[in-house]
Amino acid sequence: GAGVSQTPSNKVTEKGKYVELRCDPISGHTALYWYRQSLGQGPEFLIYFQGTGAADDSGLPNDRFFAVRPEGSVSTLKIQRTERGDSAVYLCASSLGVASYNEQFFGPGTRLTVL
Amino acid sequence: AQSVAQPEDQVNVAEGNPLTVKCTYSVSGNPYLFWYVQYPNRGLQFLLKYITGDNLVKGSYGFEAEFNKSQTSFHLKKPSALVSDSALYFCAVRAMNNAGNMLTFGGGTRLMVKP
Repeated sequence: GAGVSQTPSNKVTEKGKYVELRCDPISGHTALYWYRQSLGQGPEFLIYFQGTGAADDSGLPNDRFFAVRPEGSVSTLKIQRTERGDSAVYLCASSLGVASYNEQFFGPGTRLTVL
Repeated sequence: AQSVAQPEDQVNVAEGNPLTVKCTYSVSGNPYLFWYVQYPNRGLQFLLKYITGDNLVKGSYGFEAEFNKSQTSFHLKKPSALVSDSALYFCAVRAMNNAGNMLTFGGGTRLMVKP
């Protein structure tokens, strides 16, 4: 079946602009996660959704970052007033349910470059 | 807080030789442990996980990992390396009682298998 998909694959923007990154999880997966991976580092947790609600947004770096999942499927990560330090690969993952032993399945990521 | 350490930035091994990629973790309570592999310009792919039971876990592509509670380690192993195994490997942990369900990743280890 189809895996997690993310669009766009690459996004180049200018400092101060607004961007939206989209994630389409595996069908039937109720849990959705956003991570950020900087060059040479492991992914870092941003936010986690169970259904439509953000169950844990403790990883969001500041209030310029926001994510939604209005119908419990597709999610959008929104970044306002982008800064050069926001440049990274943004990864989305989904899992079958809330149980901690469920593995997460990752999308290919969106590479964000802020000039 | 939970954390993962991958002490080697890079591991070099000759094709056909056994390989080990090291991982140690710190978590409150019992852990769930995961290994992911990342190929260039692709998302993370799940390899294997430890939940409970047998300390030796077998996964995809002939990889296995051994959970050692006393040493808080979860080293990835393969008896005979292939050139195609060359990639970036990430170890991740999640506490059994982690309500946030986030994965905490190590910094990654680059595996280079030479013909």
